[in-house]
Amino acid sequence: EVQLLESGGGLVQPGGSLRLSCGASGFTFSSYAMSWVRQAPGKGLKWVSAISGNGGTTYYTDSVKGRFSISRDNSKNTLYLQMNSLRPEDTAVYYCAKYMGYYYGMDVWGQGTTVTVSS
Amino acid sequence: EIVLTQSPATLSLSPGERATLSCRASQSVSSYLAWYRQKPGQAPRLLIYDASNRATGIPARFSGSGSGTDFTLTISSLVPEDVAVYYCQQRSTWPHTFGQGTNLEIK
Repeated sequence: EVQLLESGGGLVQPGGSLRLSCGASGFTFSSYAMSWVRQAPGKGLKWVSAISGNGGTTYYTDSVKGRFSISRDNSKNTLYLQMNSLRPEDTAVYYCAKYMGYYYGMDVWGQGTTVTVSS
Repeated sequence: EIVLTQSPATLSLSPGERATLSCRASQSVSSYLAWYRQKPGQAPRLLIYDASNRATGIPARFSGSGSGTDFTLTISSLVPEDVAVYYCQQRSTWPHTFGQGTNLEIK
C-alpha cells in the first residue's frame, strides 16, 4: 500500500525551529518529486515547497524562502522540512505529498502533522 | 506568482443535480491545472490533472475542462458523499499555487 506518514510537528515559540519528517512506503521513493503543503486553521491549502526525485532541485513559496529547507534521504525513503525562524503565521497542518509523473499533480498525501507557533 | 480565483465560494445543491465549479488564473497556465477534493477532517485527494485527466479511481461523473485561464470542474450527479471543499492548483510556474477553494454543500 502506498503510504506517507508525517511526524515532527508540535508547539514552538516564535523564532524557533522544527524539523518535519515524512516516511514513504509502497512506491519507489527516489523516482518521484515530493512536496509540502500546509493548511492554516480554517483556511485553504497553500503549497510550500517541492523537491525533485534525486534531491537536486528545490522550490519554495516566497514566504518561506530563506527560512525553510526541503531535503530528502532516498536511502531512508524520507522527506524532510527544516523550518527555522518560525512565525505565528506558519501555524498550520503540514502535509507531505507525492507528485505523480513530472509534477502532474499530487496523488498521494499523508494525514498531516500540526505545527503551532506561539509564545 | 499566479493567482487562482475559484467561484462560487459556496455552492449548495441537491443530490442528483449537476455541480459546476470554476477556476480562473491570473495568467495562462496552458492545461497545467489540477483539481482536488478535501472532505472534512481528511487530507486532499487528487481528482483531475492537466485540466481533463481523471486520476486513478476517480469516477466518470467527475470531469474537467478548460485551458489558458478558465477551467471548470463538473460533477454530473451529486451524491451526499461529495460534500467537501474543492481546490484547483496550477503547475505551470513555481510556486504551484492553489485557489482558495469552493465549499460544496448538499441540501
